[in-house]
Amino acid sequence: AQTVTQSQPEMSVQEAETVTLSCTYDTSENNYYLFWYKQPPSRQMILVIRQEAYKQQNATENRFSVNFQKAAKSFSLKISDSQLGDTAMYFCAFMTYTGTASKLTFGTGTRLQVTL
Amino acid sequence: DGGITQSPKYLFRKEGQNVTLSCEQNLNHDAMYWYRQDPGQGLRLIYYSQIVNDFQKGDIAEGYSVSREKKESFPLTVTSAQKNPTAFYLCASSIETRMHNEQFFGPGTRLTVL
Repeated sequence: AQTVTQSQPEMSVQEAETVTLSCTYDTSENNYYLFWYKQPPSRQMILVIRQEAYKQQNATENRFSVNFQKAAKSFSLKISDSQLGDTAMYFCAFMTYTGTASKLTFGTGTRLQVTL
Repeated sequence: DGGITQSPKYLFRKEGQNVTLSCEQNLNHDAMYWYRQDPGQGLRLIYYSQIVNDFQKGDIAEGYSVSREKKESFPLTVTSAQKNPTAFYLCASSIETRMHNEQFFGPGTRLTVL
């Protein structure tokens, strides 16, 4: 079974600073996808960034980037130039395909607070 | 505007009663999903459906039932057999259930058992 571990329950960062959220996963699969989702106080889940396991290049989306270390099964999220609107729960998620359907497995989340 | 709607936003139920949560999407997506979120935990998959009139159990299906009579709709019934139903429920959809397809989420329903 796949597991996703987020070891930082809470983090805080000052506005305009950079913060890194960690995520590790365990799987025997070779082909999979990794995601970071953001859940602000509204509780709407929003996709932040996606990484294909077969791609060595780390994904980037504006201020968000990942450090994907396949051998170490690590998938951290870096937020640059943090903004107050980045305050949210961040979930790391792992997707596998069973042959008939894809399944997302989520970590327990990291609560990020951006302060002035 | 295309999107996913869930209703109601808040739902209260007495113990022993069944309750149905609504999920509708106008994204023309084939696949739909139901997740449960508890405090301090990530989302856990309850049921998913790849096409109309077909659905599969997820990791925590006991005490829940679903139907998929229309492409746009995937209601979830929380039955009295669900021992701890108080939670936040999220519905999602994707173009299909194959890998790499992003899942889009609705705004959620908070269910409280009194």
